[in-house]
Amino acid sequence: KNQVEQSPQSLIILEGKNCTLQCNYTVSPFSNLRWYKQDTGRGPVSLTIMTFSENTKSNGRYTATLDADTKQSSLHITASQLSDSASYICVVPNYGGSQGNLIFGKGTKLSVKP
Amino acid sequence: GAGVSQTPSNKVTEKGKYVELRCDPISGHTALYWYRQSLGQGPEFLIYFQGTGAADDSGLPNDRFFAVRPEGSVSTLKIQRTERGDSAVYLCASSPFSGTDTQYFGPGTRLTVL
Repeated sequence: KNQVEQSPQSLIILEGKNCTLQCNYTVSPFSNLRWYKQDTGRGPVSLTIMTFSENTKSNGRYTATLDADTKQSSLHITASQLSDSASYICVVPNYGGSQGNLIFGKGTKLSVKP
Repeated sequence: GAGVSQTPSNKVTEKGKYVELRCDPISGHTALYWYRQSLGQGPEFLIYFQGTGAADDSGLPNDRFFAVRPEGSVSTLKIQRTERGDSAVYLCASSPFSGTDTQYFGPGTRLTVL
């Protein structure tokens, strides 16, 4: 069964600190992995899309890494800001489905405190 | 430019009623997606349109759910004989060409079935 597991489920950090969120996936074969940010009550917003040949990708203070051999990805946030408080969701295509058929993890809920 | 919009933002209905949820994608985007998100969960794929046709409807839970996109732009998700378990946030997304592109999400419609 295709699955996306994220950890931790929730995380509280102080403003200015760094943090790393983890994603393990089981889908095979693998084409791409995405990270989304979802603010409460809003739709998800794309942060990064990585293909299997990429092992790191940055978007401002967000850096995603990918290890296709171990099927693990991480999202590192540097110098956190209060506005980073949100859920961060790891997403992979559903093998056997169409290109638009994506599997979303449950997300990590990040709270940044002043 | 305008993003993806969804109407209504909230819909409360009674068990057994019929509802329609509307999605206006970003102008010119050929791919459109519907997802359903329950509290504390990641979005769950429902259906993916490429132009006017449903490229993948494997996520629709049963035949009470149906979606159309007659002119390749606006889409309507239709739910017949609603059940309490249908209560969720229904998210729509669009992308320029295909499922491998970045998906841009709308704010969602919160459906409550009493």
